[in-house]
Amino acid sequence: QSVLTQPPSVSGAPGQRVTISCTGSSSNIGAGYDVHWYQQLPGTAPKVLIYGNSNRPSGVPDRFSGSKSGTSASLAITGLQAEDEADYYCQSYDSSLSGSYVFGTGTKVTVL
Amino acid sequence: QVQLQESGPGLVKPSQTLSLTCTVSGGSISSGNYYWTWIRQPAGKGLEWIGRIYTSGSTAYNPSLKSRVTISVDTSKNQFSLNLYSVTAADTAVYYCAAFSYASSGGWFGPWGQGTLVTVSS
Repeated sequence: QSVLTQPPSVSGAPGQRVTISCTGSSSNIGAGYDVHWYQQLPGTAPKVLIYGNSNRPSGVPDRFSGSKSGTSASLAITGLQAEDEADYYCQSYDSSLSGSYVFGTGTKVTVL
Repeated sequence: QVQLQESGPGLVKPSQTLSLTCTVSGGSISSGNYYWTWIRQPAGKGLEWIGRIYTSGSTAYNPSLKSRVTISVDTSKNQFSLNLYSVTAADTAVYYCAAFSYASSGGWFGPWGQGTLVTVSS
C-alpha cells in the first residue's frame, strides 16, 4: 500500500555520508505536503528524526538533515556511526482516496 | 514530554474484535497539543497508519481500514482506544499508539508508545 518509495537498503563505512531517497507523487510530496523522517532501531518503536522536511527535534544530532524537492525528499546522514544502523522511514500525507497519512517502504542502513 | 503505553490482549481469534487501549502520562490528553493515533507494523514490514482522534472526539481513519475501525477517547482516564472488527491473520502486527502533531501541511507522529504485538490466530 506504500505510495512513498525508498531504496530497501543503503550502506556506508563509519564516517561516510549516506543519503536515503523518498519518492512520491503529485498527490503527496508533489502536492506540497511536508515530509517527515523516522528512525527505528532494532526492536524499538520509531522516533521522529526530521519533521517539516528539514527540522530536527531537540536531541537529534545535526549529522541528520532532510530536504525536499518536487515529488521527492531525501535524508542525509553525515559522519555515519555504528549507532545509526537502523531502519528509516519517510512519511507524508496523501490527498487521494479520501486522504491518509502514508509511510515510505523503509530503508535499512548498514554501517560496514 | 508525554509518554504513551499500549495495553490489551496479545491474542485474538479470527473474526473477533481487536481492542487496545493507550494510556497517556506526563500530560493531559485534553490539552489540545496533540491528536492521538494508532499505527501498526506487521513483522518485518513497514508502518501503516490506522487512524487518529482529537480530544473533541473528531476522528479520521485510513480509507483501507475505515469500515472495520473505531477509535475513541476517554478524557477522564487519559486514555484512547482502538477497536478493529472482524480481524484476520493479516491483522497480526505490532500496534503502536502515538501522539500526532497536526499541521495543515501534514503532521508527524511522536512520541510513540513501545508497541504491543497482537496475533490473530485460533
